[in-house]
Amino acid sequence: DIQMTQSPSSLSASVGDRVTITCRASQDIGRWLAWYQQKPEKAPKSLISVASSLQSGAPSRFIGSGSGTDFTLTISSLQPEDFATYYCQQYKGYPYTFGQGTKLVIK
Amino acid sequence: EVQLLESGGGSVQPGGSLRLSCAASGFTFSSYALSWVRQAPGKGLEWVSFISGYGDSTYYADSVKGRFTMSRDNSKNTLYLQMNSLRGEDTAVYYCAKDGGGSYGGFDYWGQGTLVTVSS
Repeated sequence: DIQMTQSPSSLSASVGDRVTITCRASQDIGRWLAWYQQKPEKAPKSLISVASSLQSGAPSRFIGSGSGTDFTLTISSLQPEDFATYYCQQYKGYPYTFGQGTKLVIK
Repeated sequence: EVQLLESGGGSVQPGGSLRLSCAASGFTFSSYALSWVRQAPGKGLEWVSFISGYGDSTYYADSVKGRFTMSRDNSKNTLYLQMNSLRGEDTAVYYCAKDGGGSYGGFDYWGQGTLVTVSS
């Protein structure tokens, strides 16, 4: 199975900050990587697919990059509604696997 | 507007069975693969199973293989997950998720989830 490792596990930041979350795959997954945002007691929402393609309706401040084994999600200027947990997911092969999540909290 | 609405969750004893449903609307149902993803209380996301648009291909996580069966009825725009031999570790919110399809993939839409609790 392909293991997905996110860092950091939690991150404290302020409104207006630029933050970056990293996701590393245990083997080459090309660009078959997605990012999701989840708020407490809510279903995940899609932000990014194929590593850098912004999902329709997702704000442009969410920027995905990377290929192969190393990927990043950058939020260019944090907004109050961005404080949530973020997950990466590979869909190169089965079983699909998720990172453990990165919880973004207000400083 | 794409909508996915899960139902069928509830409380069941270990060893019991449950059938989840996911009613879909707002897209051409048979054109898209679907998955079930679960989330145990306080934990991260775990992919459970996948089914192709016409239902001819299915894949399962090792943790549920042989116990869970995923199916779909394209005439009813409905996805199913038959869960047998349930265990405590199956306790989770279960989400159905639509594949992004084409050159994108990933899950572009998720349902609101249905809670399954396995406990004696």
